[in-house]
Amino acid sequence: SYVLTQPPSVSVAPGKTAILTCGGDITGSQTVHWYQQKPGQAPVLVMYYDRDRPSGIPERFSASNSGNTATLTISRVEAGDEADYYCQVWDSGSDLAIFGTGTKVTVL
Amino acid sequence: QVALKESGPVLVKPAETLTLTCTVSDFSLSDARMGVSWIRQPPGKALEWLAHIFSNDKKSYNTSLKSRLSISKDTSKSQVVLTMTNMDPVDSGTYYCARTPAGYSYIYYDSWAQGTLVTVSS
Repeated sequence: SYVLTQPPSVSVAPGKTAILTCGGDITGSQTVHWYQQKPGQAPVLVMYYDRDRPSGIPERFSASNSGNTATLTISRVEAGDEADYYCQVWDSGSDLAIFGTGTKVTVL
Repeated sequence: QVALKESGPVLVKPAETLTLTCTVSDFSLSDARMGVSWIRQPPGKALEWLAHIFSNDKKSYNTSLKSRLSISKDTSKSQVVLTMTNMDPVDSGTYYCARTPAGYSYIYYDSWAQGTLVTVSS
């Protein structure tokens, strides 16, 4: 089965840019979605269909997907962005969802 | 406002069967765009997808857990039920149900329940 690999952790200073990656053989052929999960809370969708932002998600969040790597970019990072972030794809060939290994974002 | 809420036991014994119910509101499980998945998360670990039910009642399962899982829905009650047999301590964690409005492909989850912590212990 496919594996979506994310770096375990990313540290970023307030006001700077955090770049999170999601790599795997399937990312280039499927759309990628991203979730933010704060401690003790359910995940929240922050990006879908590679680059669409749900209502209520700040424009500081953006995403792209090219080749075998999808990227979530958080600009002008704030303390409230500190969370775990997961990428996800739907494998249409097998009709199953795959979540990435997750990245913990720490705001310095 | 779209909402999902899980209910079920917080403690199950090894080898028992877990039954969780997800009750949804403000959308219909018969809507062609709507589907519901179950997703779990062991303490301190990543999200793991378990199963999905489409609006046409088609079901999909995690390949590794397929023999232990069953998902069903009662549209009239707005409920989706997950059963997992032969529970083991490694199955302990938070179980979520989540909705997709994406129909049958490129599925993503725009609404999640709060999660229910299930502990498997004798």
